[in-house]
Amino acid sequence: AQSVTQPDIHITVSEGASLELRCNYSYGATPYLFWYVQSPGQGLQLLLKYFSGDTLVQGIKGFEAEFKRSQSSFNLRKPSVHWSDAAEYFCAVVQGAQKLVFGQGTRLTINP
Amino acid sequence: DGGITQSPKYLFRKEGQNVTLSCEQNLNHDAMYWYRQDPGQGLRLIYYSQIVNDFQKGDIAEGYSVSREKKESFPLTVTSAQKNPTAFYLCASSALGTYGYTFGSGTRLTVV
Repeated sequence: AQSVTQPDIHITVSEGASLELRCNYSYGATPYLFWYVQSPGQGLQLLLKYFSGDTLVQGIKGFEAEFKRSQSSFNLRKPSVHWSDAAEYFCAVVQGAQKLVFGQGTRLTINP
Repeated sequence: DGGITQSPKYLFRKEGQNVTLSCEQNLNHDAMYWYRQDPGQGLRLIYYSQIVNDFQKGDIAEGYSVSREKKESFPLTVTSAQKNPTAFYLCASSALGTYGYTFGSGTRLTVV
């Protein structure tokens, strides 16, 4: 079955620094991949998605992600983080018909 | 504005009581989902429905029940058979074939 792994449970970066959150997937064919963000006590908001085509995907809030088939990865990046980016981030992959499987999440803390 | 409404935001129940969580959407989405979120475990799928009067078990359906009598509504009942019901519950919906989930803001259930 398709699955995703987010190796980092918690990451701390300084405001203005660059960010990369890791996501590895397990799937034989071309996966449909997503990144979501969750503020405390809230639902999830879609940041970006990859279905096919250009392997560098642009999303909302200045985020981007790169699909690398050779590494089975779909890492999320941002050149310069803002304090408002502090949240939990989830990578997800489509499994079967219309179902998403989520990683365990990475909690991002921003130091002033 | 279209969206998903989950109610209540906080719910307290005594052990052994059944409780029903509400999820309503006005997005005209065919598919609806219930996820459970626990710290460090990501989101786990409880039940999903792709059409009215039909639903399927997810990965952790034991101790839960759902109904889909209307396209707009997908209530989740947490029964007394659920061994550890205290968690954050998220409802989502999507148009078939798009995989673009829209999430509600969640219900935090505490069983005492």
